[in-house]
Amino acid sequence: RKEVEQDPGPFNVPEGATVAFNCTYSNSASQSFFWYRQDCRKEPKLLMSVYSSGNEDGRFTAQLNRASQYISLLIRDSKLSDSATYLCVADNAGGTSYGKLTFGQGTILTVHP
Amino acid sequence: DVKVTQSSRYLVKRTGEKVFLECVQDMDHENMFWYRQDPGLGLRLIYFSYDVKMKEKGDIPEGYSVSREKKERFSLILESASTNQTSMYLCASSFSIQGYGYTFGSGTRLTVV
Repeated sequence: RKEVEQDPGPFNVPEGATVAFNCTYSNSASQSFFWYRQDCRKEPKLLMSVYSSGNEDGRFTAQLNRASQYISLLIRDSKLSDSATYLCVADNAGGTSYGKLTFGQGTILTVHP
Repeated sequence: DVKVTQSSRYLVKRTGEKVFLECVQDMDHENMFWYRQDPGLGLRLIYFSYDVKMKEKGDIPEGYSVSREKKERFSLILESASTNQTSMYLCASSFSIQGYGYTFGSGTRLTVV
């Protein structure tokens, strides 16, 4: 079983749509969670951290459900510029992890006019 | 702003050559990582280092070695390049603190012919 599992998509949505990505993680000791965004042929960049209480950054909302080991990202009012691959990330907590993170394979989003 | 710099953006090498990929970070991060990214396989960890002269194997270390003589520099070495090592190589760094994400370099696209 993959440590961090995401639906690879692709998700094709029109501008203005709301889209949600889900992710599950297998390490129950994980403490830190993130969403990264990766544009085509570029490096991943941190989009937002995910906190237990859920957090919002403009049109983006991240939620964490520790009981179900489930992370989500909601994008409202999608823009063409949101087209990218979204990577779900969890830390390798437990033992001497040295801050190592585990990345999901990514979910591809295409926003069309 | 944290900067992670990879020495080459594109590289073409011949089979059997020894290849050095260099990565330098300027934020005094303890942790440094080397990943490769291939279509359909996501990010795969090759090696990481949590301190000077310290290194740990990741998920796919075969055919690679690393060197960390100074805190800011982490080198990936392909001892004898092979065509199956054609890939995008990404370096990342972070503090060894829970809740701290990675910063990635812009990547080196290596082609082995």
